[in-house]
Amino acid sequence: DTGVSQDPRHKITKRGQNVTFRCDPISEHNRLYWYRQTLGQGPEFLTYFQNEAQLEKSRLLSDRFSAERPKGSFSTLEIQRTEQGDSAMYLCASSSYMTGTGELFFGEGSRLTVL
Amino acid sequence: SQKIEQNSEALNIQEGKTATLTCNYTNYSPAYLQWYRQDPGRGPVFLLLIRENEKEKRKERLKVTFDTTLKQSLFHITASQPADSATYLCALALSGGYNKLIFGAGTRLAVHP
Repeated sequence: DTGVSQDPRHKITKRGQNVTFRCDPISEHNRLYWYRQTLGQGPEFLTYFQNEAQLEKSRLLSDRFSAERPKGSFSTLEIQRTEQGDSAMYLCASSSYMTGTGELFFGEGSRLTVL
Repeated sequence: SQKIEQNSEALNIQEGKTATLTCNYTNYSPAYLQWYRQDPGRGPVFLLLIRENEKEKRKERLKVTFDTTLKQSLFHITASQPADSATYLCALALSGGYNKLIFGAGTRLAVHP
């Protein structure tokens, strides 16, 4: 296992279209997080999964955003009816409750540009 | 309101010198604090973690201090190298959480030969 994998790395879409990002965490990690990062800012928390359960969702996340983690493995983040303000880097991270060192392992991110 | 503040201006230093980056926070009670490195277009990479009951942590050329009274962490890179040039992010983990991290905006470090 080589780390957290995200797909696609880049996505350009027109306003109003739906987009979906996929994250494959490190295989033994049961915790999965989605963050959003805009230029010059730090990552901003969006949502958290423990196994397949979505345990927290940021209030910043509008109802156009939905995330799933079926079977507690990979996760998807879908944005419906995209707006220009959704343009950002979407980062996925995973960690292990059992080894519990506290560090997050991030993927390389999916960069979204909404025209 | 809750804030995490890192120097917004880039830090420029000469190779071989010690770089010191600051992270200040208000209205948080973190269980621990982490530092990450981020290169342009890449995801953050974990560097160091320091717990609320620890004053200092070291790893090779890196040193982190944590003062919960001042609500401040300092991150030092000794004998800096051009390869250390990157953005460094401070992140707080709150008590009772599940490794949910709250990030600062980061400080860009440029090490010149």
